[in-house]
Amino acid sequence: DADVTQTPRNRITKTGKRIMLECSQTKGHDRMYWYRQDPGLGLRLIYYSFDVKDINKGEISDGYSVSRQAQAKFSLSLESAIPNQTALYFCATSDQGQGDGNEQFFGPGTRLTVL
Amino acid sequence: AQSVTQPDIHITVSEGASLELRCNYSYGATPYLFWYVQSPGQGLQLLLKYFSGDTLVQGIKGFEAEFKRSQSSFNLRKPSVHWSDAAEYFCAVGSYNTDKLIFGTGTRLQVFP
Repeated sequence: DADVTQTPRNRITKTGKRIMLECSQTKGHDRMYWYRQDPGLGLRLIYYSFDVKDINKGEISDGYSVSRQAQAKFSLSLESAIPNQTALYFCATSDQGQGDGNEQFFGPGTRLTVL
Repeated sequence: AQSVTQPDIHITVSEGASLELRCNYSYGATPYLFWYVQSPGQGLQLLLKYFSGDTLVQGIKGFEAEFKRSQSSFNLRKPSVHWSDAAEYFCAVGSYNTDKLIFGTGTRLQVFP
């Protein structure tokens, strides 16, 4: 089984709808991240969380919110989706302070289309 | 400002040819450097990373990268490309002080038979 899973894998929705993307991990990592990927722009950080009580904004948090329900679960919500939020969304995890770099482990991605 | 530049948006090589993908970074602290690969329809997989020690690092799938502090570069190389290497490659930089990574915009590699 995959260590980092994302649901759904694909979603088409309409402008104004509320959408939730979910991420679960079995790696036991404390730190979790949400990115979006757009062609030509690489990956940009939306939100990150270093533990259950910690939530931090990333580079492009406007229009998004997150919830860290448990160590293993980190959800991303679009309160009122708009077309320019059409993108590929990735969840990632990392372990804390291993002294060998902050390698992140990625889920398979969720392709979101907002019409 | 912290940044990562991958100057080549798209590279095409013939199978069996050598490959070098460029990565330059701007980072105030001592950098940790990563190369990730994204195959079509897949998530990102770590190829290799540098955080200290030998500046030439070996990774999976026959890839290697060399950290050159004087040039602020971390170029990815492979001596002989296989058709299965066709993918998008991302360079990323972080540091000991933060778990946040800054990604480059990616280089798409196309391999011709």
